[in-house]
Amino acid sequence: EVQLVESGGGLVQPGRSLKLSCLASGFTFSNYGMNWIRQAPGKGLEWVASISSSSSYIYYADTVKGRFTISRDNAKNTLYLQMTSLRSEDTALYYCARQRGTGSFDYWGQGVMVTVSS
Amino acid sequence: DIVLTQSPTTMAASPGEKVTLTCRASSSVSYMNWYQQKPGASPKLWIYGTSKLASGVPNRFSGSGSGTSYSLIISSMETEDIATYYCQQCCSTPPITFGAGTKLELK
Repeated sequence: EVQLVESGGGLVQPGRSLKLSCLASGFTFSNYGMNWIRQAPGKGLEWVASISSSSSYIYYADTVKGRFTISRDNAKNTLYLQMTSLRSEDTALYYCARQRGTGSFDYWGQGVMVTVSS
Repeated sequence: DIVLTQSPTTMAASPGEKVTLTCRASSSVSYMNWYQQKPGASPKLWIYGTSKLASGVPNRFSGSGSGTSYSLIISSMETEDIATYYCQQCCSTPPITFGAGTKLELK
């Protein structure tokens, strides 16, 4: 059974940093591109970042470029999102999601909440 | 960036009614994917590659479209279909974008 379990969220002050993790199981992690997608309270879905299976290709949304870094450790079956210079508008539920061939996201984690507030 | 516009924003349908949700792209896209999200739950892949149903999706759902206009269709609305549906495009170049969603309610 495919499972994605996010961790590392919490309450953080504006300007500070936080690192999210997503532990994958039930599939060969190193064969799939992975993504972070977020959802602000009561709002829609916003793609944040993508990383290819071997980390060769990495992309970011303009809203986080230069502040967030996506990475992965295939030996540990873990996806990461390092978030720096956090802003109130980064407050959201952050999901990790597996990407399949047509660019769709076929498995999602349960999400981890990040709240940026003083 | 490609903007996806979903319509309507909210709609109410009666059990047994045919439902059509629309997603229009600001530029031509190769595929459209759709997700279903219920309150308090993670999104679920519902339709991928424009017209392929994800595993476990009832066959009263279908997807169609090309270029800049795509649709998710429910042939006969059921109570369990109450949810918010998001369209999503990708793949030519980033960024990946989602529509703002259509909230489907029961009439």
